[in-house]
Amino acid sequence: AQKITQTQPGMFVQEKEAVTLDCTYDTSDQSYGLFWYKQPSSGEMIFLIYQGSYDEQNATEGRYSLNFQKARKSANLVISASQLGDSAMYFCAMRADSSYKLIFGSGTRLLVRP
Amino acid sequence: DTGVSQNPRHKITKRGQNVTFRCDPISEHNRLYWYRQTLGQGPEFLTYFQNEAQLEKSRLLSDRFSAERPKGSFSTLEIQRTEQGDSAMYLCASSSPITQGTEAFFGQGTRLTVV
Repeated sequence: AQKITQTQPGMFVQEKEAVTLDCTYDTSDQSYGLFWYKQPSSGEMIFLIYQGSYDEQNATEGRYSLNFQKARKSANLVISASQLGDSAMYFCAMRADSSYKLIFGSGTRLLVRP
Repeated sequence: DTGVSQNPRHKITKRGQNVTFRCDPISEHNRLYWYRQTLGQGPEFLTYFQNEAQLEKSRLLSDRFSAERPKGSFSTLEIQRTEQGDSAMYLCASSSPITQGTEAFFGQGTRLTVV
């Protein structure tokens, strides 16, 4: 069975600073993908970044980077230079390459302070 | 707008009534998913369509729930005899199978409140 754990229900960060959102996962699959989504108050899930289990380099997308540590089964999201618009819920998710459904964690609410 | 579209955005219904939600996926995506998200939780998988075929239904989808995707385009999710426990956000997503790791694109969801 697959499981995603996000241990930080809420986080604060000062505007323009970097923040790390934690995510650990559990799976018996050898080939899988890890995703991060942002959910603002409007409700839409916005895709941020993807990391494949066989990718040797950490994924980066603009201000987002994924700190992938396969042996520790962690896939932390790093947001650099936080902006007020980054305030939202953030969900870590995984999907086995043999599957099509995403398994989500319980999320972390990020609040960026001015 | 070429994103995933869901209607209605909000629905308030009395317990025992039937409700139907609609999802229009991104036009070139043949995969469509429904998820349910309760307050304070991440989305949970409900069902999956590849074109018009419903390939998997979660055990969360009781007999009161039915989903269709006629002609492999839009999809509907119907809940019969609604219960207060059905109150949640219902999210639709679509994706393309072309490349491995392709992300699912989500709509803005339909928030259901059963009173």
